[in-house]
Parts: sequence; structure tokens; C-alpha cells
Amino acid sequence: KNEVEQSPQNLTAQEGEFITINCSYSVGISALHWLQQHPGGGIVSLFMLSSGKKKHGRLIATINIQEKHSSLHITASHPRDSAVYICAVHLGGGADGLTFGKGTHLIIQP
Amino acid sequence: EAGVTQFPSHSVIEKGQTVTLRCDPISGHDNLYWYRRVMGKEIKFLLHFVKESKQDESGMPNNRFLAERTGGTYSTLKVQPAELEDSGVYFCASSPGWGRWGALSPYEQYFGPGTRLTVT
Repeated sequence: KNEVEQSPQNLTAQEGEFITINCSYSVGISALHWLQQHPGGGIVSLFMLSSGKKKHGRLIATINIQEKHSSLHITASHPRDSAVYICAVHLGGGADGLTFGKGTHLIIQP
Repeated sequence: EAGVTQFPSHSVIEKGQTVTLRCDPISGHDNLYWYRRVMGKEIKFLLHFVKESKQDESGMPNNRFLAERTGGTYSTLKVQPAELEDSGVYFCASSPGWGRWGALSPYEQYFGPGTRLTVT
């Protein structure tokens, strides 16, 4: 069993829908990252968080340390949001290498 | 400011050959990481440099993999001899580290575009 589990693995939605991607982890962490990878593109860091909530544009990330759970929300989704969204955690200190989930493949249809 | 760059973008080699991947981190970043994604699996950590020193190489699969970071700048990852199971996408990432002036988030990692390695 992977230490970082994401759900759903695949998600197809219509433009404008509110999207939620979940990430659960099984051990204590120092921080959690949400990453985005477009088809054929590189990996971009969206958020790094260790508590509470962060917002950037239409993206919102939340984390509940006690429940070992994080969510990534996309409001007013758009076809350009179609990408793989990856949850990754620091199991040790913040400088340590990341442990990744398998990713959620999101498709937003016009 | 230039991002993390990797070379080559794609390499196709035969089993038993040697391949060297290169990563140039963002200038001034002390931390450099190598990761790999094998098809159908999640991205896995390989190793972590702090400047020129290997901080953690617990993810290196075996002694066919050798990583170096010359003078704490660019890094190379050599696979010798390559096996079929080494095929995948190799990502490099860097982060500033504590003490870096202006580093709002010293441990936020910036990823390179990856090198797709195909061993036939």
C-alpha cells in the first residue's frame, strides 16, 4: 500500500463544475505539495502547505493534519485545467525528498 | 531567472549501454533531487544533494546508478549498464534551502521537464 493515496484516479467533468481531488497519507508529514503536470509538460508546484488552507486564483488547497488528509479544489473549472494533479509529501524534514501519490488524471470537457 | 533544465529530453539506448543524464538546477539552489517515474507507477525519490554532498541516496535502485554534483552546481545521473527496467522519466528538482536570501519558501521544489529514458 502506498503511503500516499489519491482519489479519484481519473475524473472527467464539464466546464464550470467544482472539482475536488483528495489525498490521504498514512504517516506523519512535515509538509504536503500539490503538483500539476499538463500532457507533455513539466511538473509545476501549485501549493506547499503544512496546515490550514491556501488559495491561488481558482485553486484552493486544504489540509487536516489530524486526519492526515488534504484536498485540492478547482472552482469554475476550465478545459485548460485538464492535467494530472499529484499529491506529494515530505515524510521527514522539509528538505527531504518527496513521496508521491499516483496522481489524478483530470479532464474538463467544454 | 532560468528554471531547472535537463538534458537530454529523450534518450533511447540498448540494454547494456551507458547513459548520462544531466540536471542544471536554478542558480543558487542548494538542494537538488532526482526522481523517477516508471510507466504506470508513481514518481519515486532517488536521491538528494545538499550542495555537492549526497544527503540521502536511499532511493537509488542499485549500484548501476551513480549520481554526482560537481562543485554543487549541475548534477549528472549515470546508468551503467542500463537494463530494460530502467526505462522511465527521470525528473530533477531543486529548492533554495534555509538561509537563502529572499527564499520565501526554502523547501518549495522546482521541477525540470524530465528526461524520458527508453532502454530497448
